Amino acid sequence: QKEVEQDPGPLSVPEGAIVSLNCTYSNSAFQYFMWYRQYSRKGPELLMYTYSSGNKEDGRFTAQVDKSSKYISLFIRDSQPSDSATYLCAMYYQGGKLIFGQGTELSVKP
Amino acid sequence: GAVVSQHPSWVICKSGTSVKIECRSLDFQATTMFWYRQFPKQSLMLMATSNEGSKATYEQGVEKDKFLINHASLTLSTLTVTSAHPEDSSFYICSATTGTNTGELFFGEGSRLTVL
Repeated sequence: QKEVEQDPGPLSVPEGAIVSLNCTYSNSAFQYFMWYRQYSRKGPELLMYTYSSGNKEDGRFTAQVDKSSKYISLFIRDSQPSDSATYLCAMYYQGGKLIFGQGTELSVKP
Repeated sequence: GAVVSQHPSWVICKSGTSVKIECRSLDFQATTMFWYRQFPKQSLMLMATSNEGSKATYEQGVEKDKFLINHASLTLSTLTVTSAHPEDSSFYICSATTGTNTGELFFGEGSRLTVL
């Protein structure tokens, strides 16, 4: 079993839709959770960084962590064609390595 | 945010030759740099962790002699793919951290290597 599981998609939504991206994990030691966005043939860029359970909002993006269920989510409101990219979840515990999910390919159609 | 520059962004080479990829932190000192490899539609696979002035720590299954990593200064790490073969063709990405927080990685733009 992989430490971090992420549905690779692809996920296609119309412009303006709410997008929900998810990851599950098996290691309860993970403390820090991130979401990265990666455009084609580019390096990942950090979108959201959270610690502990709960929600964190930044503009149209909301990151949610449920440690009891070992489940994290990224919600994108009012999705735009420019949001089309691959979204990678990542997580680690203090002193541990950063583990990435497989990435979900998102396409927002105008 | 912090900027990490990676060069070259695209390189094509003949089988058997060596290729060097540079990773620079432009506006901060990177105590630790990481090298990843990414295949199409796959996640990032950590290859090695590089600390300035010391030998790199390689992940299991990564050949140290094939992927030479040097972290000579706090702003520069290099990855040299030695005697490259077509199966080494991949997208190589570096990242850097100031060391204060492992998760706050800043990634380079990636280097796409094609070995003919």
